[in-house]
Amino acid sequence: NAGVIQTPRHKVTGKGQEATLWCEPISGHSAVFWYRQTIVQGLEFLTYFRNQAPIDDSGMPKERFSAQMPNQSHSTLKIQSTQPQDSAVYLCASSLAGQGNERLFFGHGTKLSVL
Amino acid sequence: GDSVTQTEGQVALSEEDFLTIHCNYSASGYPALFWYVQYPGEGPQFLFRASRDKEKGSSRGFEATYDKGTTSFHLRKASVQESDSAVYYCALGPHRGSALGRLHFGAGTQLIVIP
Repeated sequence: NAGVIQTPRHKVTGKGQEATLWCEPISGHSAVFWYRQTIVQGLEFLTYFRNQAPIDDSGMPKERFSAQMPNQSHSTLKIQSTQPQDSAVYLCASSLAGQGNERLFFGHGTKLSVL
Repeated sequence: GDSVTQTEGQVALSEEDFLTIHCNYSASGYPALFWYVQYPGEGPQFLFRASRDKEKGSSRGFEATYDKGTTSFHLRKASVQESDSAVYYCALGPHRGSALGRLHFGAGTQLIVIP
């Protein structure tokens, strides 16, 4: 089991460009979570899917950020018109069923740097 | 809203010292409580969880007891090693019976163990 796979590990974009981050959950897990990690804000919840359906996107910025899960084997987080304040480590996690008492399995993260 | 407070931003100890990292939470009902550990360049890793009052979670010599009365879940280890140096996160799940799966993470505590 390779664990949660996130690609790329590092991404550098210029201000105003688009960034797409990829996540492959652990096979058999039905829930996928996205978190953002910065020194100042710590670990911030963004959104999550269960059985490919969006369940809670309360942490997603209303503009420029979108997430999708087109099939059970991958999810994407897209940031349009990136800004320097979007620089962060974006972490994807999966769990068996997306219930609140389950452990999350995190990927290594994608470090996004917006110049 | 639900929240988690970790009072120590950084803890520095010598090997074989006793460790306590404080975690207090604010939530209704009986949420699941977790400890995660994060090493540089990796995503957080699950340490253990507890779901009921007075339940003790433990792993790798670390332990914490769910205390509804003091709304706490303090992390303790009797004798730390240099390899324990990492960032430790306390996390709060939704209340029992909730269909939602997101976790609220504390700000994290960096543990530095000096050999």
